[in-house]
Amino acid sequence: KAGVTQTPRYLIKTRGQQVTLSCSPISGHRSVSWYQQTPGQGLQFLFEYFSETQRNKGNFPGRFSGRQFSNSRSEMNVSTLELGDSALYLCASSLGPTGNQPQHFGDGTRLSIL
Amino acid sequence: QQPVQSPQAVILREGEDAVINCSSSKALYSVHWYRQKHGEAPVFLMILLKGGEQKGHEKISASFNEKKQQSSLYLTASQLSYSGTYFCGTETLSGGGADGLTFGKGTHLIIQP
Repeated sequence: KAGVTQTPRYLIKTRGQQVTLSCSPISGHRSVSWYQQTPGQGLQFLFEYFSETQRNKGNFPGRFSGRQFSNSRSEMNVSTLELGDSALYLCASSLGPTGNQPQHFGDGTRLSIL
Repeated sequence: QQPVQSPQAVILREGEDAVINCSSSKALYSVHWYRQKHGEAPVFLMILLKGGEQKGHEKISASFNEKKQQSSLYLTASQLSYSGTYFCGTETLSGGGADGLTFGKGTHLIIQP
């Protein structure tokens, strides 16, 4: 069974640009969550989507947005990029809502802002 | 609110035991444990749910004290492969239900031969 696939693996952008990251969950998984990982702040929850609906949202500014498609694939968008947005962005999928289901993480997209 | 993990780091000899703790200031719906090796994605270890249900690997054990909002992960007879950073993630209960998984800052575990 294929795992969670995130594209692209690496991305370099400049301040003010916008970026879209993609996540393909494990087949049959309907929940997708996004996290930002940095050395200083650790793993921070961005949002969770289940059946195309945003179920939960973390404490991030409105520049961070996401969506989920009918095939459970998800995208995350960050607009007006700032230097502090440099991080590893991880996507995780699960069969159902995260509370009682194991999450399977992708290898992440490493975003660098110049 | 972010759960607090302790210790921040621990160094063990192969075969020794370790306990990693996770505590929250809010009532918990579930506690998740993950291990991340350097340069790799986090890997699921265990979920502990309010009410006593557990899901996870047979060789991993953990406890969940709902009244104290605390969980502990027990690593016995540690092996070199146990090295990595351990994260606990908690889902708390809010008015509308569980409110998303929040991770602690992690516990760095180094196992030496």
